[in-house]
Amino acid sequence: GAVVSQHPSRVICKSGTSVKIECRSLDFQATTMFWYRQFPKKSLMLMATSNEGSKATYEQGVEKDKFLINHASLTLSTLTVTSAHPEDSSFYICSARAPGTNEQFFGPGTRLTVL
Amino acid sequence: AQTVTQSQPEMSVQEAETVTLSCTYDTSENNYYLFWYKQPPSRQMILVIRQEAYKQQNATENRFSVNFQKAAKSFSLKISDSQLGDTAMYFCAFMKPFIQGAQKLVFGQGTRLTINP
Repeated sequence: GAVVSQHPSRVICKSGTSVKIECRSLDFQATTMFWYRQFPKKSLMLMATSNEGSKATYEQGVEKDKFLINHASLTLSTLTVTSAHPEDSSFYICSARAPGTNEQFFGPGTRLTVL
Repeated sequence: AQTVTQSQPEMSVQEAETVTLSCTYDTSENNYYLFWYKQPPSRQMILVIRQEAYKQQNATENRFSVNFQKAAKSFSLKISDSQLGDTAMYFCAFMKPFIQGAQKLVFGQGTRLTINP
């Protein structure tokens, strides 16, 4: 089956710093990737849709200048949390869709803790 | 906008029992996809089963089956012969057809299922 990786799996940073999370599709080319945020014991909330070679589409209420998304290749999308604050602490999950399919393959997630 | 509702925050059954998780959704679309995902303690999202709305036959995957009632906009998941490894959060999800855009998944609130030995 299709494999999606995320790096890092855990990150702890100080308030005010920026953190980059990578999402890679390992054995397929993903024209579209998605970034989700999940609070403890809650559901996944879509933050943005990332399309290769174009600007990401952000969901309502998600600050595009705070959560920078880059999808520079068909196998890599990055999410940068800029000037992170404790309220940005969460579990971030990416998924990737292969062309011509309707299934999303999920990464293992990244736990971000901002001190 | 589409919404997905899972009315059972938590469920608990004994090993080997059958359990049914409920899901209802709201949409004006006629064609769409429905999914059940499992999120074990590792937090890796795993696809359990999918259903295409234009197919009347209920999807089955080994011990997992769905009861898809399109008119009622209901999509329940039945787990037969439950196993300890089935303990997880289960999310119901809705997706518009491929031709209508980026295919965003809309998730329900989740049901925490515990299988007891």
